[in-house]
Amino acid sequence: NAGVTQTPKFRVLKTGQSMTLLCAQDMNHEYMYWYRQDPGMGLRLIHYSVGEGTTAKGEVPDGYNVSRLKKQNFLLGLESAAPSQTSVYFCASAGLNRDEQYFGPGTRLTVT
Amino acid sequence: GIQVEQSPPDLILQEGANSTLRCNFSDSVNNLQWFHQNPWGQLINLFYIPSGTKQNGRLSATTVATERYSLLYISSSQTTDSGVYFCAVGTSYNQGGKLIFGQGTELSVKP
Repeated sequence: NAGVTQTPKFRVLKTGQSMTLLCAQDMNHEYMYWYRQDPGMGLRLIHYSVGEGTTAKGEVPDGYNVSRLKKQNFLLGLESAAPSQTSVYFCASAGLNRDEQYFGPGTRLTVT
Repeated sequence: GIQVEQSPPDLILQEGANSTLRCNFSDSVNNLQWFHQNPWGQLINLFYIPSGTKQNGRLSATTVATERYSLLYISSSQTTDSGVYFCAVGTSYNQGGKLIFGQGTELSVKP
């Protein structure tokens, strides 16, 4: 039981490049979330999903897209990376009761 | 939206000392979690505690939902307790159960 995993762990992109971050959970959770953490701040929600095939916008969705084609996976895409997207990205999941959230180890992304 | 405030923002302790971290929130919540972010950036779940008191070893937490605050107690602190402690809350009416994070308390435990 690995919990929540994220790939890659680190990535450096040039402005304008694209990439996809993968989040996987093996707890059969319905809810999945993508947050970003900037220096000296707590986490802010980018997008979330309440079940397979559904996605919704969070607090800071601009510049990102997501997909949840399989229940266990939640993908975060950057179509044209910008330096303002330099951040640490965390994925989380929660069960049907939307109670305790479990977080992945994070992906550190730098956009130059 | 709901506001989450943590205090103090920074704390320096000698190893062996005790401390209390506070989290105030501005509205009713149905989810409250405490996390420890270690120096490597990992977020570690400490407590899921929307109300009541829980203990886990040297750490304990109390949430008084009616008064809209939660406390995290660290006893006999160790250098491995260093890092940032976040309180995060969720409400029944917010987006898909998302968590709203406080700004964190940065704890440094000196040997």
